[in-house]
Amino acid sequence: ETGVTQSPTHLIKTRGQQVTLRCSSQSGHNTVSWYQQALGQGPQFIFQYYREEENGRGNFPPRFSGLQFPNYSSELNVNALELDDSALYLCASSSPGTSGEWGTQYFGPGTRLTVL
Amino acid sequence: LAKTTQPISMDSYEGQEVNITCSHNNIATNDYITWYQQFPSQGPRFIIQGYKTKVTNEVASLFIPADRKSSTLSLPRVSLSDTAVYYCLVGDISTTSGTYKYIFGTGTRLKVLA
Repeated sequence: ETGVTQSPTHLIKTRGQQVTLRCSSQSGHNTVSWYQQALGQGPQFIFQYYREEENGRGNFPPRFSGLQFPNYSSELNVNALELDDSALYLCASSSPGTSGEWGTQYFGPGTRLTVL
Repeated sequence: LAKTTQPISMDSYEGQEVNITCSHNNIATNDYITWYQQFPSQGPRFIIQGYKTKVTNEVASLFIPADRKSSTLSLPRVSLSDTAVYYCLVGDISTTSGTYKYIFGTGTRLKVLA
């Protein structure tokens, strides 16, 4: 069984640029959630995708957007990068109905984004 | 909106039992409460999950009272390798939009001493 994978591992961008982060869900999972974790803080929920549709969102502006593909992999896109976007971006996958509303979330290793 | 709070930090000695409590005042009715362990610059690692009463697995126990407004993670006989940050995770459904969101606890930094 393959776990959640994310790419790239590290990324450096400058303010104003755009970035795309990628996530492959764990085998058998069809739901993907994205989180932002600033240094020394807990993860903050960005949004969740199920059946290629966004079905939940945290307090993040529209410049944070995403996609889910038919194979359940997902992308997180961030436009007009700001210095405060520097963080560890985490992806988690789950399968609804296995436990709770959207199932147990299993996390990938994260992508470290640095905005200069 | 659900709000979750945890103690900021705890110290313990090897071999002791550690209990970490998360207070969550309003969580989604059907959702489970999940606990994770996180090491620096790594993704959170699943520890245990439950809905009500007590759940036990090979690494931890989870106690959830009937009102589900809190949960307590119990780590028996901790070792140095258990030094990490521990988070609870709950779900919340917006009463206005009906959409779902996840909320992590504030995190508890556990330091295990020799």
